[in-house]
Amino acid sequence: GIQVEQSPPDLILQEGANSTLRCNFSDSVNNLQWFHQNPWGQLINLFYIPSGTKQNGRLSATTVATERYSLLYISSSQTTDSGVYFCAVVDRGSTLGRLYFGRGTQLTVWP
Amino acid sequence: GAGVSQSPRYKVTKRGQDVALRCDPISGHVSLYWYRQALGQGPEFLTYFNYEAQQDKSGLPNDRFSAERPEGSISTLTIQRTEQRDSAMYRCASSLGFAGPEKTQYFGPGTRLLVL
Repeated sequence: GIQVEQSPPDLILQEGANSTLRCNFSDSVNNLQWFHQNPWGQLINLFYIPSGTKQNGRLSATTVATERYSLLYISSSQTTDSGVYFCAVVDRGSTLGRLYFGRGTQLTVWP
Repeated sequence: GAGVSQSPRYKVTKRGQDVALRCDPISGHVSLYWYRQALGQGPEFLTYFNYEAQQDKSGLPNDRFSAERPEGSISTLTIQRTEQRDSAMYRCASSLGFAGPEKTQYFGPGTRLLVL
């Protein structure tokens, strides 16, 4: 199956700082989603972004499908941004809908 | 509207017992997915349905695991003769349709299973 690699694995920030999380994938995709797993274990959908750029408040994401990577930007981070951020993709060559997840980036934001 | 719901939220069972995990997708969503997540890992695919038809069960680890969605809505994931290695978070997701943003998967809160 398609390989998804996320970096960095861990990130520690002071409140107010900006950060960039990266997701590389090994093959063409027709679905890419970013999720936030909060400290209570809920997996919250942030973006559906197989290509292009989207913004939602302090978060934005860019996917360059031809180069097989996606970036998640978090600006003016807050303590509530802490948790694990996952990137997940669906293989373009597949007619099925299974998501392949990376191992995530653990983000800790200190006040 | 309500999101994906799962029950129970927590399940503790003894090795060898059968367990049934329930998922209630977002109303109107045609696709339903089951994933399993070990601590420190991303979710891993188990199986998925379009309406009541099971489209892909290649992620089910062995024949002790089965899933059904008989009326195209609620789904049940059953694990027979549980083993300690089955302990994990079991997540359910649903999506509206088959094209573009309709393929976005929305996840439920998960069922934390502990096998003693």
